Parts: sequence; structure tokens; C-alpha cells
Amino acid sequence: LAKTTQPISMDSYEGQEVNITCSHNNIATNDYITWYQQFPSQGPRFIIQGYKTKVTNEVASLFIPADRKSSTLSLPRVSLSDTAVYYCLVGDQGNAGNMLTFGGGTRLMVKP
Amino acid sequence: DSGVTQTPKHLITATGQRVTLRCSPRSGDLSVYWYQQSLDQGLQFLIQYYNGEERAKGNILERFSAQQFPDLHSELNLSSLELGDSALYFCASSPQGGSHPYEQYFGPGTRLTVT
Repeated sequence: LAKTTQPISMDSYEGQEVNITCSHNNIATNDYITWYQQFPSQGPRFIIQGYKTKVTNEVASLFIPADRKSSTLSLPRVSLSDTAVYYCLVGDQGNAGNMLTFGGGTRLMVKP
Repeated sequence: DSGVTQTPKHLITATGQRVTLRCSPRSGDLSVYWYQQSLDQGLQFLIQYYNGEERAKGNILERFSAQQFPDLHSELNLSSLELGDSALYFCASSPQGGSHPYEQYFGPGTRLTVT
């Protein structure tokens, strides 16, 4: 089971780009890297997923270096509504199902 | 709106009691997952069902059980409740053969308070 390490909290200002880095040194060959966002008292929401190099969607970009031991979630031009907890997860290939193993997450605070 | 529904939204009960939480997955999703989120333990996977069959088990206590019915809705039963069971319980569903293997759609949760 690959463990992830990410900063406990980050502060930013509206309009800035935010990069949250996650370390996953023991990632397995078949594991995917997935990021979720969670607002208080709401269920987590899928943001982006990748296996290698760079993935971009309408919400964020995910950068994964060649060794895949880390990944960086990039949020362009954040707004106050991006204040949330961001979870980095690595797919658990040891079980029959695609269960999600959440760590502590990064609490992002966007200030005006 | 994720398309996953959970009832009830809030539940207040006493220690020793038994409750049932209900989840309806998104239309067509065969997998249902249950997660518990408490202040001290964070978000923890409890159990997964796929098309009526138990698929994976996480940190689920023996006092807890779940099932998935033929119409794919799922119920999580919590018995002999303790104060420490107070938490947000989330249900999530995922499609078969989706474009992202670990994309799950979470419901709004049921907040359980045990007094």
C-alpha cells in the first residue's frame, strides 16, 4: 500500500496559481494518482487523475515526473471558493476493488 | 449534485441503539462504497459492494454491516452504537469501466450523532 505525504496546510490569495505537491515513494507500477477536493460537511469530489507526465482538465493540471515518486496538483488562478481540503491518493492495487485510501489532505485557504 | 443520494441527512440516537443508513448510487453504477469521516480518524474506507456482492473490506467494525440490494441501493447497519461512532458517513458509487479507475461519486453524507 503506497502511502502519500502532502503538506498539512497552504495559504494563497485570489488569482494566484497554487501548486500542491504529494510524495508517494512506494507507488506501484500499476497505481494511478488521483486528487480529490472536499468542502466542509460535503463528500469528496474527484478533480483529476493521472498515471504519468501531465494531465490537464477544465479544473486543474497534474504533473507527474518520470519516476512517479511525487506529483503536483496545479490550480490556476484560485478563487475564494477553492478553499477546501485536497487529498492525494494512490490507487490500492492490493484489493479487489478500487477503494480509496485517504490521508490527511492539504487544507488550502484562499484569501482575498 | 453527484447523483448519489443518502438518507437520512442527520441522525441523532443514543448509545446502544441500532441505525440504518441508506444509499442510492448513480443510475447505472454497480459499485457502492461506504466511508466514515470522524474528526480524529479522517476519511476511512469501510466496505465496498459490487452488483450485490461484497468486494472489499476496510476498517469496518464487527458491529457494522452492509448489504447491496438487487436494485443496487445499499444500506449500512450500525449496531450497539458508541459515542465514538459519531461521524459523517459517506456513500460513493462508481461506474463499471469508467475512464478513471479511481473516480468515485460521493453522496452528501449522513451525519450520525450518538449521545
